[in-house]
This record gives sequence, C-alpha cells and structure tokens, in this order.
Amino acid sequence: SQTIHQWPATLVQPVGSPLSLECTVEGTSNPNLYWYRQAAGRGLQLLFYSVGIGQISSEVPQNLSASRPQDRQFILSSKKLLLSDSGFYLCAWSVGRDAQYFGPGTRLTVT
Amino acid sequence: KQEVTQIPAALSVPEGENLVLNCSFTDSAIYNLQWFRQDPGKGLTSLLLIQSSQREQTSGRLNASLDKSSGRSTLYIAASQPGDSATYLCAVNRPSNYQLIWGAGTKLIIKP
Repeated sequence: SQTIHQWPATLVQPVGSPLSLECTVEGTSNPNLYWYRQAAGRGLQLLFYSVGIGQISSEVPQNLSASRPQDRQFILSSKKLLLSDSGFYLCAWSVGRDAQYFGPGTRLTVT
Repeated sequence: KQEVTQIPAALSVPEGENLVLNCSFTDSAIYNLQWFRQDPGKGLTSLLLIQSSQREQTSGRLNASLDKSSGRSTLYIAASQPGDSATYLCAVNRPSNYQLIWGAGTKLIIKP
C-alpha cells in the first residue's frame, strides 16, 4: 500500500529564516506530487505540483520554491520566511489525474 | 471560471440520522470530483472519487452522487456516528490542468 510522509510535523521559525519541508511517498512510482497551503480559516491553495523529476509548476508567485530531487521526494523551500507564510502545509500525491492522497501536514508558525 | 460552493457551512445533527452534504460547481466540464474529510489539525482523508462519466460511488456508509448537467454532487452519510464529525470538502478536477478547485467545506457535528 502507498504511504505519504511529511516532516517536520510542527515548526516555529523567525521572520527572515530559511525553510525546508520534506515530503516522501512510498509504494508507488512516478506519482504526481503537490504542495498545498491552508491558512487559518481559509481553503486550500495549490502552491506547486510536479509530474516528474525536475518538473515543477508554480501556481502562485511568492517567496517559496519547490524541488523534486528524486521520484518520490518533494521539497518546499524558502530563503527568507515572511509572517504571511504561516499556515498548514500539505503534501499530496496522485497517479495521473486520479484521486489525490494527502500527508499529515506541517504546521508552520512564523514569528 | 469554475467555482465550487458547499452548503451549509456547518451542520449539527443527532447521532443515527441520515444526512446529505451538498456541493455545487458552475462549470459542468469537469474531469472528476473528489470528496474529502478533514479532522481538526490533521491532513485530508480521501473519501470518494467520482469520474465525470459516473453517476455515483459508494464506500461503506458513504454514497456520493454526481449530476454534471445541474452542476451538483451530494455526499450521503447513512446512520451517522460521532466519529463522522469533521469538515467535509469537495474538489473538482478540471480537464485542462491538475489544479483542484475547492469548496470551502461543511463542518459536520454529530451529537451523541
């Protein structure tokens, strides 16, 4: 069966510090991978998606970036965090355009 | 532009009742529609996926229907239990890209 992992589970970072969130998927090959952000009291916002290694599509221009160094690894990064980057970050995977399956999320608080 | 609406925003019912959650979308040209649940502070759990060519999908006490022509989907929960309390989200997958268009969710509370 397939599983998706995210870490860390929670993170508190000062404004201006760097960020690295990691997502890995097990039990499937060549998945589509997605990064979402869910701000408090708001809906999900797609940040990035990837259909293959090195292929990243950005949906929202911002100070975040994503990379996919391996088939089942997706990384969300920032060089300098802003207060507005606080939120709940969710990684998801799918096979093609079938159902998306989500990880447990990372709660990021920027202070 | 595709928009997804979920009504009501919140619903509280006593345990044991059958209930229906609604999801409507403005553009009938969809690839598929997916229902999720989210427990507080947790990730999303995929419940049911309905392809555009399908009318309904069932999993246990859950049944999701799709009527593309009217731009509606419903999630039917039979014999509700306190453990069903969560926020339920629907999302539409457009034919043109991988982006899901999300509803704002229905917060469901099942009272023991």
